[in-house]
Amino acid sequence: GNSVTQMEGPVTLSEEAFLTINCTYTATGYPSLFWYVQYPGEGLQLLLKATKADDKGSNKGFEATYRKETTSFHLEKGSVQVSDSAVYFCALSKPGSNYQLIWGAGTKLIIKP
Amino acid sequence: SAVISQKPSRDICQRGTSLTIQCQVDSQVTMMFWYRQQPGQSLTLIATANQGSEATYESGFVIDKFPISRPNLTFSTLTVSNMSPEDSSIYLCSVGSGGVNEQFFGPGTRLTVL
Repeated sequence: GNSVTQMEGPVTLSEEAFLTINCTYTATGYPSLFWYVQYPGEGLQLLLKATKADDKGSNKGFEATYRKETTSFHLEKGSVQVSDSAVYFCALSKPGSNYQLIWGAGTKLIIKP
Repeated sequence: SAVISQKPSRDICQRGTSLTIQCQVDSQVTMMFWYRQQPGQSLTLIATANQGSEATYESGFVIDKFPISRPNLTFSTLTVSNMSPEDSSIYLCSVGSGGVNEQFFGPGTRLTVL
């Protein structure tokens, strides 16, 4: 079936460190892929997206590339800040559905000053 | 992107009572979704709410416990009925919008049941 697997958290980094949060998926067809972020006490915000193989989504210094050969969509940022502390969710569009998403478990990121 | 508001933002309720959560969108949308997010967990889809038709519930969720209304293309409500402490969660409303199946979320309703 269709599923999303994220690396377990929490991930703890120092400010200005390089960030990678792994996300792999299984899916039929060609889903769109998303990263959402949830800051403490808030709802989810769409961070970035990619709709086809080799697309790179980017926003706020974060990037992720749609890799069909490895079925991955890893989130990266070159230099994290304390304000990036949040929970990050990887998701894919459910094939054959209107707007339904399949969610990863979420990865909590803690950035220490 | 759509702007979504939810009311109430948080509530503390007694077991056995019911709470209705409102979701308002600033534009007309076809697809609206209701999720539950238990503490430290991912999102679990409760139901999909389409205007003019019955909501479609996911496995494990039933209409008697989570009745949903969708009277028009900008508004929906979710009721959590006969609450127990296990219903303590964040309840999130989202809408489908845009050309690539993305969803946009409201700020959530934080429910505590005593």
